[in-house]
Amino acid sequence: GQQLNQSPQSMFIQEGEDVSMNCTSSSIFNTWLWYKQEPGEGPVLLIALYKAGELTSNGRLTAQFGITRKDSFLNISASIPSDVGIYFCAGLTSGTYKYIFGTGTRLKVLA
Amino acid sequence: NAGVTQTPKFRILKIGQSMTLQCTQDMNHNYMYWYRQDPGMGLKLIYYSVGAGITDKGEVPNGYNVSRSTTEDFPLRLELAAPSQTSVYFCASSPLLGTGSTDTQYFGPGTRLTVL
Repeated sequence: GQQLNQSPQSMFIQEGEDVSMNCTSSSIFNTWLWYKQEPGEGPVLLIALYKAGELTSNGRLTAQFGITRKDSFLNISASIPSDVGIYFCAGLTSGTYKYIFGTGTRLKVLA
Repeated sequence: NAGVTQTPKFRILKIGQSMTLQCTQDMNHNYMYWYRQDPGMGLKLIYYSVGAGITDKGEVPNGYNVSRSTTEDFPLRLELAAPSQTSVYFCASSPLLGTGSTDTQYFGPGTRLTVL
């Protein structure tokens, strides 16, 4: 099945650093969602994006809906140890019911 | 508002056994989904439903069955369990999609299934 390309696959960063990750697709999406999944838990919705160029923040997290509608970006500022987890993107094409998920970015924060 | 709940949390099955994974949502969402997540991998869609009485296959439906008799419940049935079905199963729900400003999807906590 189709999956979105997410990069990087994994990141090891120092506490306090900023983090950037992105998701790219060959298809145009009308909705982008960003999730965080902690070990042993289900994905938790962080940010939802609905318009090309839209920039939305949730605390230290900021996500952008790419102008081409084929990509999206997530930034985490001033990372803390509890940011550890896997971050997934998901895209939805208008007129469909099925989200397409990214392969995930595994984030580890070193105190 | 409990959101999406799943039971059981863990289960070990023997090859050939059957079981039903339960999923309930209390958000009155039209759409419900079942995914599986293998270790270190992304989410694969098993089945989905756009409303009570309507279900459809995702990308990996073999070995599974679903039903949707109510808006709230979307159970997943495993018949003749096989080791390849060892995975973490997530149920998710979405409100009416295509509105452009409310498209979201919420996940349950997952069921960890091992088939030996």
